[in-house]
Amino acid sequence: AIQMTQSPSSLSASVGDRVTITCRADQGIKNDLGWYQQKAGKAPKLLIYATSRLESGVPSRFSGSGSGTDFTLTISSLQPEDCATYYCLQDYSYPRTFGQGTKVEVK
Amino acid sequence: EVQVVESGGGLVQPGGSLRLSCTASGFTLSSYSMNWVRQAPGKGLEWISYITTSSRTIYYADSVKGRFTLSRDNAKNSLYLQMNSLRDEDTAVYYCVRDRYEEAFDIWGQGTTVTVSS
Repeated sequence: AIQMTQSPSSLSASVGDRVTITCRADQGIKNDLGWYQQKAGKAPKLLIYATSRLESGVPSRFSGSGSGTDFTLTISSLQPEDCATYYCLQDYSYPRTFGQGTKVEVK
Repeated sequence: EVQVVESGGGLVQPGGSLRLSCTASGFTLSSYSMNWVRQAPGKGLEWISYITTSSRTIYYADSVKGRFTLSRDNAKNSLYLQMNSLRDEDTAVYYCVRDRYEEAFDIWGQGTTVTVSS
């Protein structure tokens, strides 16, 4: 199984800050990576698929980049409603595997 | 509205069985592969199973292989996860998730809670 390693595991930032979360695969996965946001007590929500494609309805302050083994989710200007846990997911092969999550706190 | 709704969760003793259902609305289930993802209390997300539109291909995570069986009834727009030989570590919220053409898990249900405890 492909192992996905996310960092950091948590972060705290202020409104308006630029936030970056990274995800590393232990083998190449082309651009088959998505990012999901999960707010407390809610189901996850798709933010970005195929590394950099923004899901419809998702604010443009979210962006993704990378390829191969190293990927990044960037929030260009953190907003209070971005308080959540973010997960990467590789959809290159089965079993699908998630990163361990990054909890984002807004100061 | 495009959505999936899970049902069937509950409290079960170790070694027991439970069947989860997932009903789709707002879209034709037969056009999509589907997945189940679970989340243990305070933990991250774990993919556990996948089924193609025709049920020809089904995958399981090693953690549930041989104990869980995924099936679907496209005529009823429904998906089923039969869970046998349940263990304490199967305690989790179980999410039914639509697979958008192998590139994204785009529609998630609200989840159904399974608690395995004596």
